[in-house]
This record gives sequence, C-alpha cells and structure tokens, in this order.
Amino acid sequence: NAGVTQTPKFRILKIGQSMTLQCAQDMNHNYMYWYRQDPGMGLKLIYYSVGAGITDKGEVPNGYNVSRSTTEDFPLRLELAAPSQTSVYFCASSYRTSGSMQFFGPGTRLTVL
Amino acid sequence: AQKVTQAQTEISVVEKEDVTLDCVYETRDTTYYLFWYKQPPSGELVFLIRRNSFDEQNEISGRYSWNFQKSTSSFNFTITASQVVDSAVYFCALSEAGAGNNRKLIWGLGTSLAVNP
Repeated sequence: NAGVTQTPKFRILKIGQSMTLQCAQDMNHNYMYWYRQDPGMGLKLIYYSVGAGITDKGEVPNGYNVSRSTTEDFPLRLELAAPSQTSVYFCASSYRTSGSMQFFGPGTRLTVL
Repeated sequence: AQKVTQAQTEISVVEKEDVTLDCVYETRDTTYYLFWYKQPPSGELVFLIRRNSFDEQNEISGRYSWNFQKSTSSFNFTITASQVVDSAVYFCALSEAGAGNNRKLIWGLGTSLAVNP
C-alpha cells in the first residue's frame, strides 16, 4: 500500500511555463484535495474532488486546473507559471465518511523563476 | 463561520520541559471533528489525533495528551518531557459534519515548536 504518492518531488519552472503535478492514491478514497503551503504558513486549499468526474474550487484556485478521470488520480495543472506559485504542494485523500482523516502525500516543492 | 486559531506562532523550550500548544476553534455545527497534525522539518504531514464533538474525554498517547473543552471551544495539545525529535510545526484543524459537507479541513496557521537540547 503506497498511500498517496506525488511526483515530482522538486521542480523549477520559468515564468510562463506549464506543468502538471501528479497525485495518485491506492486506498480507494473518494475525496481528494490539493493544497499549497507557502513558507511559514498553513495550508490553503486549491481544489478538491468528491469522486471521479467531480471537482470544485477551494480557497485559492486561480492559475490552476484539475481533473479527476479515475478514483486513483488527481493531477494539478499549472498554466502560465508565475513567481507567486512558488510553494510546496500537497495532495491528500480521505474516505467518504464524515470525520475521516486526510492522508497526505510527501509534497512537491515548486520554484518559479 | 468556521475558523481555527493557533495563537502561538513559535514556542521554544528546553528538552524535558512540558509544553502546551493551544487551539481554539469556531463552528456553528453541533457535530464536528478536530485534528492535530505534525509537520517535522522533513516536510511531510503526519496525523496525530482525531476527536469528534461528542467525545470530550481527554486522550493520552505516550508523552502526548489532548484536552478537549467544548465550553471554551479549545482542543489543546500537551507534550510531556519534550524531546528534540518533537521539534516540528503542529497544525490544528476542524472538519464539520453537516449535510453537504465536502469533508474540507479548516486549518490553523500552525505552531512552530523548537525543542533545544
């Protein structure tokens, strides 16, 4: 059981480039989330999904897109990267039931120069 | 509105001291869940505990203990006889269980704990 996996671990982008952060879970969780964590700050929700084919915006969705074609995968797309998107990105998943804890991936450290 | 406040931004203690991390929450729901997560310097997020709103019993797990008080909307975390390995950022989070809830967690900003030898 790998849990939640994220790739890549590190990435440096130039302004205006695009990339996709990959997230996969093997726990058959319905709920998946993308967060960003800026230095010295807490977690901010970017997008979330309650099941395959269903996604919704979180607190800070601008500049990002997501898709959820399968239960397992929840990729996050950055279009036209900007320095403000320099952050650590965490993917998480949880069971459907109320009060379920979220399981986190190891994070992707992204720098936009 | 839901909110989680961790008023202590940074705490520094000497090894073997006891330390309490405060968490105060706001919610209109009667059914909700509270969580603590640990983020060590390596960066991963580690789940520590979950408590539902109907269970006000304190919990102890080794050197860790949690005090949940609905009357003051607080869910404080105490580390007894702290160790250097406890150095981390600790996050408190709230999840409401109301109808239509998307299981989102409302996060505090975290308390950075430094345990010095």
